[in-house]
Amino acid sequence: EAGVAQSPRYKIIEKRQSVAFWCNPISGHATLYWYQQILGQGPKLLIQFQNNGVVDDSQLPKDRFSAERLKGVDSTLKIQPAKLEDSAVYLCASSLLAGGHRETQYFGPGTRLLVL
Amino acid sequence: DAKTTQPPSMDCAEGRAANLPCNHSTISGNEYVYWYRQIHSQGPQYIIHGLKNNETNEMASLIITEDRKSSTLILPHATLRDTAVYYCIARSFQGAQKLVFGQGTRLTINP
Repeated sequence: EAGVAQSPRYKIIEKRQSVAFWCNPISGHATLYWYQQILGQGPKLLIQFQNNGVVDDSQLPKDRFSAERLKGVDSTLKIQPAKLEDSAVYLCASSLLAGGHRETQYFGPGTRLLVL
Repeated sequence: DAKTTQPPSMDCAEGRAANLPCNHSTISGNEYVYWYRQIHSQGPQYIIHGLKNNETNEMASLIITEDRKSSTLILPHATLRDTAVYYCIARSFQGAQKLVFGQGTRLTINP
């Protein structure tokens, strides 16, 4: 079974530029998550989708971050304009179900972003 | 979700059992204890979870105290590939509750 795919794996941009990350979840997984992981910290949830609807985006900086999940499959996360503090690893995860104690999230390898 | 407390780092010799503690003194009755680990340059990986009974799977064992205020993840025969950051998370099973990661325990397995 293929895992969660993310691209690109690495990205270097200058501040005030824009950047986009792509995620392809495990086939059949209805729930998709984007996390931000700053160096030395645990991942922090940015946004959760159930199919193509947003379930939780309470920690998404909406003035600069946006995400979409068209057709309930692939998702893109965009930052525009980027700030130095956005340097982090952006992780995508998916799960078959949302909620319930047996829900297991499967994570992709992440995209490492460096903003100069 | 209840806050969890873990030691920032631990060492263990290869082949020995690694015992990772976690305190969750404010855990509520509808919260499970989950463990994930993150190997360097990879995304987190699910290990195990439990409510109040001890649990075991092919990766690890989870021992939860009777009062549920603390738990221990046990890797019975640690290998070098078990070197990772281990996260203990208290999460409600009701609704679409998110995983809230702390800073975890950096476990180093020494040859």
